[in-house]
Amino acid sequence: KAGVTQTPRYLIKTRGQQVTLSCSPISGHRSVSWYQQTPGQGLQFLFEYFSETQRNKGNFPGRFSGRQFSNSRSEMNVSTLELGDSALYLCASSFEAGDYGYTFGSGTRLTVV
Amino acid sequence: AQSVTQLGSHVSVSEGALVLLRCNYSSSVPPYLFWYVQYPNQGLQLLLKYTTGATLVKGINGFEAEFKKSETSFHLTKPSAHMSDAAEYFCAVTRAAGNKLTFGGGTRVLVKP
Repeated sequence: KAGVTQTPRYLIKTRGQQVTLSCSPISGHRSVSWYQQTPGQGLQFLFEYFSETQRNKGNFPGRFSGRQFSNSRSEMNVSTLELGDSALYLCASSFEAGDYGYTFGSGTRLTVV
Repeated sequence: AQSVTQLGSHVSVSEGALVLLRCNYSSSVPPYLFWYVQYPNQGLQLLLKYTTGATLVKGINGFEAEFKKSETSFHLTKPSAHMSDAAEYFCAVTRAAGNKLTFGGGTRVLVKP
């Protein structure tokens, strides 16, 4: 069974641009969460989607947004990129049957220059 | 609010020696606890989790952890370290399915031959 797939793996963007990251969850999983990982702040929760609805949101500015499609695939968008947005962005999916089986993808490494 | 504290950002062990990584949490409700491992340029891989039931949890690669409610701890151990255990380890807590995972700061493990 395929794991969580994140694309692209690496991305370099210029300050002020916007970026879209993609996450395809494990087949049958309906919950998708996004996390930002930086050396200074560690792993921080961005938001979680379930059946196309955002259920939870972390403490990030409005420049960070996301959505989930009917096939459970999710995208996150960051507008007006800042240098501090450089990070590893991780996506996790779970079936949501109470087994708390969060499975993470390999992440997208975003570098803002 | 939940929080996780991992004691020691770096741990060095000799090959064959005991690995002990400490994790303490705070949670206003019964917690669900996880240990993840991250290898360089990779996502997070679940080692083990505690949801309900037996407080001693066995995971992959010979790791185990014990949930001690009275001490609010969930320490990770492995009797004999292997070179392949060199990685960063994260303890995480959540209070319900679909809620965010709150991560500790991580502990980087170095295994000496």
